[in-house]
Amino acid sequence: GAVVSQHPSWVICKSGTSVKIECRSLDFQATTMFWYRQFPKQSLMLMATSNEGSKATYEQGVEKDKFLINHASLTLSTLTVTSAHPEDSSFYICSVSLASYEQYFGPGTRLTVT
Amino acid sequence: SQKIEQNSEALNIQEGKTATLTCNYTNYSPAYLQWYRQDPGRGPVFLLLIRENEKEKRKERLKVTFDTTLKQSLFHITASQPADSATYLCALGIAAGNKLTFGGGTRVLVKP
Repeated sequence: GAVVSQHPSWVICKSGTSVKIECRSLDFQATTMFWYRQFPKQSLMLMATSNEGSKATYEQGVEKDKFLINHASLTLSTLTVTSAHPEDSSFYICSVSLASYEQYFGPGTRLTVT
Repeated sequence: SQKIEQNSEALNIQEGKTATLTCNYTNYSPAYLQWYRQDPGRGPVFLLLIRENEKEKRKERLKVTFDTTLKQSLFHITASQPADSATYLCALGIAAGNKLTFGGGTRVLVKP
């Protein structure tokens, strides 16, 4: 498998501010990482595919200017929620995918916007 | 439209029995299907992957079947234990891009 970490595990921010979430692949060089969002009692929804050294690919309905993704190295992808609002409060989870298609997820980041 | 359906009702089961979960899909042609376990406030944990040309996969007390004609996967936990209590998610994938689409999950509660 692969070991994935996220930082921070939880964050509270005020409405209108920006928050950065880090996703690290600790034992695997990931050219591709994925970012998901999960609202309470709902399943995971893919937000975007993060590609090392190139632009992220966003799913339909996800605002790329609001959710900035940077995949600057093979072990780190960051998601920045810009001008956060209470409706952005959610559980954000990243994953890496092996060549065998298995995906390994980070522990998630709980974002609360007040 | 595309759908992935899992039983939204929680599955309550006695310790030692076999838990069987279903995952049905429509308007998908997945190359593979994966099952994950998720505990509250945690990220999903990979359990098993089964490819479109495979009928069954096993790992310890877990078994997955995949019927592309019925468009259904069954997930079995044999000799269930209270520690197996969690939400179980199925996810469909296509080879290109490795993207996964998740079902809504089924919560399993194993009672001692």
